[in-house]
Amino acid sequence: AQSVTQLGSHVSVSEGALVLLRCNYSSSVPPYLFWYVQYPNQGLQLLLKYTTGATLVKGINGFEAEFKKSETSFHLTKPSAHMSDAAEYFCAVSDLRNTPLVFGKGTRLSVIA
Amino acid sequence: GAVVSQHPSRVICKSGTSVKIECRSLDFQATTMFWYRQFPKQSLMLMATSNEGSKATYEQGVEKDKFLINHASLTLSTLTVTSAHPEDSSFYICSASGGRSPAGGYGYTFGSGTRLTVV
Repeated sequence: AQSVTQLGSHVSVSEGALVLLRCNYSSSVPPYLFWYVQYPNQGLQLLLKYTTGATLVKGINGFEAEFKKSETSFHLTKPSAHMSDAAEYFCAVSDLRNTPLVFGKGTRLSVIA
Repeated sequence: GAVVSQHPSRVICKSGTSVKIECRSLDFQATTMFWYRQFPKQSLMLMATSNEGSKATYEQGVEKDKFLINHASLTLSTLTVTSAHPEDSSFYICSASGGRSPAGGYGYTFGSGTRLTVV
């Protein structure tokens, strides 16, 4: 069974600073890994995903993540935080197509002006 | 890109009544749909998985008679909360797989969620 651990339920950064949100997973098979963002009272928007191929994945809004198999990690980064990045971020894993995503507990990102 | 439309976005109902939530894939055929429940400031909890034309598979602890899921076509799945009670108040989100995600390639697309309040 897969599981996801997001380190830090709340991360606070200054506007313009580096954003780093941590995600570690466990999976018995090569995983599909996802990062989603959720704004209050809204659904989830996909930021990026890793399935196969290049381990450095670029997503929308300037975010990227690197799949590191040896560390079972898929940390999300953005070089320069914007106020509009303040939201809840979820890391998720699945092991097969059409199987449900398993979510981490989420990390709330605050951006300070 | 793939779009999933979920309605209604908000609903308030009286205790004991039933509420239906619809989830439609607008530009792709959703082979599988998932229903999640999210409590305030918490992560998403999977309730059930449904494939078109077959019965939904419910997660342990989810009452199948209370949360009726129908996936009658490749573009529509519905969740009906029957005899709703205040403890059913929550944010319900559907997700469909089978379409091309905005990030490219295969992915999961989420609806915008439904805030259910039972009074």
